[in-house]
Amino acid sequence: DVKVTQSSRYLVKRTGEKVFLECVQDMDHENMFWYRQDPGLGLRLIYFSYDVKMKEKGDIPEGYSVSREKKERFSLILESASTNQTSMYLCASSGEARGYTFGSGTRLTVV
Amino acid sequence: RKEVEQDPGPFNVPEGATVAFNCTYSNSASQSFFWYRQDCRKEPKLLMSVYSSGNEDGRFTAQLNRASQYISLLIRDSKLSDSATYLCVVNTLIKAAGNKLTFGGGTRVLVKP
Repeated sequence: DVKVTQSSRYLVKRTGEKVFLECVQDMDHENMFWYRQDPGLGLRLIYFSYDVKMKEKGDIPEGYSVSREKKERFSLILESASTNQTSMYLCASSGEARGYTFGSGTRLTVV
Repeated sequence: RKEVEQDPGPFNVPEGATVAFNCTYSNSASQSFFWYRQDCRKEPKLLMSVYSSGNEDGRFTAQLNRASQYISLLIRDSKLSDSATYLCVVNTLIKAAGNKLTFGGGTRVLVKP
């Protein structure tokens, strides 16, 4: 089975801090995605990448950036964390035009 | 209009009953469709893909209607363990080598004894 690993399950950061969320997949998948999930808003796509060093903006990229230096790793960066970025962040991986496998999520709280 | 819309529920279902719910999508170029299941405080997990001809997996039946742009999920003989949020997911090809999944907000199902 594909395994998608997110580095932290829970994080608490201060406003203005730079935050790195790491995601690693072990199945050589080309496509990787970052979502955030908020009550009443569902999952919203932040950024995705379909190859090393490639990135595409999703629906809500503002305040975020990403890095894909290696195929297996896709990092989400909050340049200056704000309280409205408190959320559940989910990384996903897909190797073809079908469903994804998700990581177990990182619940980020910005205080 | 949201790209993918679902009735948020909750659907309160007696154990053993049948429940069905739909999801509508707005992009007629969407290529493939899925139902995901998400338990409270867990990540979404693929439940089943949805094919034009309709497909069944045990007690679960999924159907796609391209003309009316909706997909449906039916659960027969509901179990307590079916209580979850069911996410409708639509896949659209963005570039030659990439794809993008768009999620509905989810339909919450509560199966009660």
